[in-house]
Amino acid sequence: QVQLVESGGGVVQPGRSLRLSCAASGFSFSSFGIHWVRQAPGKGLEWVAVISYDGSNNNYADSVKGRFTVSRDNSKNTLYLQMKSLRIEDTAVYYCARDLTAGSGGVLDHWGQGTLVTVSS
Amino acid sequence: DIQMTQSPSSLSGSVGDRVTITCQASQDISNYLNWYQHKPGKAPKLLIYDASSLETGVPSRFSGSGSGTDFTFTISSLQPEDIATYYCQQYDTLPYTFGQGTKLEIK
Repeated sequence: QVQLVESGGGVVQPGRSLRLSCAASGFSFSSFGIHWVRQAPGKGLEWVAVISYDGSNNNYADSVKGRFTVSRDNSKNTLYLQMKSLRIEDTAVYYCARDLTAGSGGVLDHWGQGTLVTVSS
Repeated sequence: DIQMTQSPSSLSGSVGDRVTITCQASQDISNYLNWYQHKPGKAPKLLIYDASSLETGVPSRFSGSGSGTDFTFTISSLQPEDIATYYCQQYDTLPYTFGQGTKLEIK
């Protein structure tokens, strides 16, 4: 069955960096676009970024553009989110989610359980 | 960005009740709308895509309708396991945006 498992979350100081990973299994990882979505404490879901099946196209929310970079290693069935210049408001549970298509179609049909990132001094 | 206005923010119903959630887009999004169920500590789950298509394996008591700017999500007979927060999400235009969520409780 489709599985997405996030890791790499933790407590980090403002201005520092952190890299999240999303390990995929149970499907042909290299055939699907993958998204990052986050949920701040007590808040709703916020779309963060998407990367196409081959990594050639990506898009970001304005709130993270220029600070976050999404990438993938299809040989390792793994997605990454490199987060730099972290801010207090980046504190959230970060989910990876599979797109129904090879690109950024926008239907997120399978999600991981998330990893918590806490930005605090 | 397209704004998604979801209402109500919370809802309480009895087992067997019909419950309805609405979602309004700030501009025409055709039928590019999804509905998700999210339980605490769990992965969000896709229920409805293309505004009215039921995801495989999702019980038929869940349904969606609408197009353009106004959308509706309905549970025809509320069950205890339906306790969760429900979100609409538009995928007409990047950045994709979610409604603020509706927390559903059992009376």
